[in-house]
Amino acid sequence: EAQVTQNPRYLITVTGKKLTVTCSQNMNHEYMSWYRQDPGLGLRQIYYSMNVEVTDKGDVPEGYKVSRKEKRNFPLILESPSPNQTSLYFCASSYNSGQETQYFGPGTRLLVL
Amino acid sequence: AQSVTQLGSHVSVSEGALVLLRCNYSSSVPPYLFWYVQYPNQGLQLLLKYTSAATLVKGINGFEAEFKKSETSFHLTKPSAHMSDAAEYFCAVTITGANNLFFGTGTRLTVIP
Repeated sequence: EAQVTQNPRYLITVTGKKLTVTCSQNMNHEYMSWYRQDPGLGLRQIYYSMNVEVTDKGDVPEGYKVSRKEKRNFPLILESPSPNQTSLYFCASSYNSGQETQYFGPGTRLLVL
Repeated sequence: AQSVTQLGSHVSVSEGALVLLRCNYSSSVPPYLFWYVQYPNQGLQLLLKYTSAATLVKGINGFEAEFKKSETSFHLTKPSAHMSDAAEYFCAVTITGANNLFFGTGTRLTVIP
């Protein structure tokens, strides 16, 4: 089954404790992206990747890192989480950017205390 | 830069009534426009998209949207609401060569039995 998977689905952590949210897709997509969803703000892009070893900032990259060492994986790293990073995070992938349909993972709900 | 505005963060309709969710876009060049739906505790999935072909776009589950350049609008409609349509709906915009997809703030649709 074609899908985007994220782990963990739910995470509670404390300020400053490094964490990684994994994202994997099995559709051989070149483009992958991370979004955060906050009430009243919709989805905002954090980082995206056009291909292996090619990543770039989205609209809200502060406090986040990403890497793309393999085509299928695109982990999101919070090296020192803060409470304002409490949010619902989505990973998405598509064949390319632009008019291509993006396929979304199920989301990761993060609470930073 | 591109942007979309969704009028109405909450819309309630009776089962069997017309669904109309509004989206206006801003773009200096021809846009690509999308409607995504998010069911509770799930990721987003594509309902339909406009990619400069037909201005009336038909999507899944009986939804359709019409691209109106003169009104800079891409409103989503469905003739008869079903209980299963209750979800949050997001309009999004991008352009050729862009690597970002810009989302609106979302409209939560409630269907009253």
